[in-house]
Amino acid sequence: DAKTTQPPSMDCAEGRAANLPCNHSTISGNEYVYWYRQIHSQGPQYIIHGLKNNETNEMASLIITEDRKSSTLILPHATLRDTAVYYCIVRVDESSGSARQLTFGSGTQLTVLP
Amino acid sequence: DVKVTQSSRYLVKRTGEKVFLECVQDMDHENMFWYRQDPGLGLRLIYFSYDVKMKEKGDIPEGYSVSREKKERFSLILESASTNQTSMYLCASSDPHMGSGNTIYFGEGSWLTVV
Repeated sequence: DAKTTQPPSMDCAEGRAANLPCNHSTISGNEYVYWYRQIHSQGPQYIIHGLKNNETNEMASLIITEDRKSSTLILPHATLRDTAVYYCIVRVDESSGSARQLTFGSGTQLTVLP
Repeated sequence: DVKVTQSSRYLVKRTGEKVFLECVQDMDHENMFWYRQDPGLGLRLIYFSYDVKMKEKGDIPEGYSVSREKKERFSLILESASTNQTSMYLCASSDPHMGSGNTIYFGEGSWLTVV
């Protein structure tokens, strides 16, 4: 799976949009971009994923550049409960064998400030 | 919403004890996984299962075994706990037939301390 690069930390004011960038310049054509977050002492929580089109769900939006070499996760109205480590992952959509390639990097520590 | 439930959030066990970590998912997923997460080492796959009674070793299976007697339940067993197995253990599940992405969903985690 392609490697990803994320800033180690970011701050965001409560109520404002949080934009978390991720570089994945070596992404392959069949690799998806996934975002998870992990609040301290809890398991990772799935947020959103996409292949090449922008995606939106009730939690966030995912913007993927046309060349797919980078993406941005947008939390439209950040709250204090969004403080967490956010992980950007790229992985191939395969059957069960792809599980071992779920590699979490260092992620971005997002701190939402009151 | 997918729910992956791990039976114990916090456990303290003695060296040499047999430890069972239970995991149940409620979405009829075929795939289930056990990971451990340690600071600086990230997420490491211990075992996974793609069907009832089927299992495959992950990257660090030594010292662990698993059991999947029913589709919704996947158990991790530490036959003889050791202090280097002190960690957070994460259960996860996914459905390879769900269409694009094959998203993996995680449980809340089980913090195991072996003393």
